[in-house]
Amino acid sequence: DGGITQSPKYLFRKEGQNVTLSCEQNLNHDAMYWYRQDPGQGLRLIYYSQIVNDFQKGDIAEGYSVSREKKESFPLTVTSAQKNPTAFYLCASSARPVLNGANVLTFGAGSRLTVL
Amino acid sequence: AQSVTQPDIHITVSEGASLELRCNYSYGATPYLFWYVQSPGQGLQLLLKYFSGDTLVQGIKGFEAEFKRSQSSFNLRKPSVHWSDAAEYFCAVGVPGGATNKLIFGTGTLLAVQP
Repeated sequence: DGGITQSPKYLFRKEGQNVTLSCEQNLNHDAMYWYRQDPGQGLRLIYYSQIVNDFQKGDIAEGYSVSREKKESFPLTVTSAQKNPTAFYLCASSARPVLNGANVLTFGAGSRLTVL
Repeated sequence: AQSVTQPDIHITVSEGASLELRCNYSYGATPYLFWYVQSPGQGLQLLLKYFSGDTLVQGIKGFEAEFKRSQSSFNLRKPSVHWSDAAEYFCAVGVPGGATNKLIFGTGTLLAVQP
């Protein structure tokens, strides 16, 4: 079955360490997204990519970095510059980068990062 | 700025009772509207969407939602709740415009189902 695989599901890191979260999709989707979820705050967009080798900042990109070298993969690095990195991170994809907002997203199961 | 409001943070219903989850949006034109559901520790799954046409839309798992332009609302309903419906529900608005093509999510409503 097609879908999005996020790994690891749980991750613990010390302050000051960079962390990379993996996101792989086999849906042949063009667009991919990273969201951060905190209790009571809904989902906030970190970065998104509409095509390979291109990506744009979302609403809360500071302290994060991404790459899109392959269509299937969109890893997220949480850097030491992110002041409050403990959160639940969700990767998503959509079939094509529809610019009018009519995007149906498919989500992965998420990665929970805890910084000690 | 565009926004989505889910006024109920937490709702508890009895199994078999009806359910209505509220969603209000702020946007200048008719938006694209979505409801997603999230089980604990999982990703989000699309329940239903409204793009145009009939304002009453049917989704998966017996859910429906009605778009009311005059009230800027897109409330989610289910006539008879099952224990497996316990989850968090998110309303979202699709925002067109330029290089961005993102969804704006509400803060979610956590549904608990009593036996």
